[in-house]
Amino acid sequence: SYELTQPPSVSVSPGQTASITCSGDKLGDKYVCWYQQKPGQSPVLVIYQDGKRPSGIPERFSGSNSGNTATLTISGTLAMDEGDYYCQAWVIGTAWVFGGGTKVTVL
Amino acid sequence: EVQVVESGGGLVQPGGSLRLSCAASGFAFSNYSLNWVRQAPGKGLEWVSYISSRGSTIYYADSVRGRFTISRDNARNSLYLQMNSLRAEDTAVYYCAREHVGVYFDYWGQGTLVTVSS
Repeated sequence: SYELTQPPSVSVSPGQTASITCSGDKLGDKYVCWYQQKPGQSPVLVIYQDGKRPSGIPERFSGSNSGNTATLTISGTLAMDEGDYYCQAWVIGTAWVFGGGTKVTVL
Repeated sequence: EVQVVESGGGLVQPGGSLRLSCAASGFAFSNYSLNWVRQAPGKGLEWVSYISSRGSTIYYADSVRGRFTISRDNARNSLYLQMNSLRAEDTAVYYCAREHVGVYFDYWGQGTLVTVSS
């Protein structure tokens, strides 16, 4: 079965850049989206189709996808950006797959 | 306003059954594919099942295939998940999520907790 691999945690200082990776076989051939989830809340979409931002998502969130790795980048990270982040992709023959999630801590 | 509201969770014994419902409003229900996603306590998101807008295409995660059945009633704007032969590892918050044209999940419910325990 297809797997998406994320680092369990990422720490970042306020105002700095956080990068969260998501790895999978030939992931660059698929569209990736990213969700943010805060404790006790439902996930919220922050990036879709590799690098597009939904309405209402700040410009500091960006994404890219190439080769075997997709990356979510948070520039000028704020304390409110703390939370868990999940990548997701549609895999033919498998349907939807989520990465294991990355906990972002703003120190 | 788009809303999806799950219900039907609760405590069930191993081997038991439960039926989850998701009531939708604020959009043309029959035009959208829908999904169930679960999250075990303290764990990550796990996709469970997909159903196309008319119910003609269905997919399941390997972990639930043969035990869970997804269905929908477009006349009632409702999505269902029949869960049989429940196991302790099925304990999770179950979310209903609307899918946007096979690209992403744009609306999620608040989730309903299923606890499988004796």
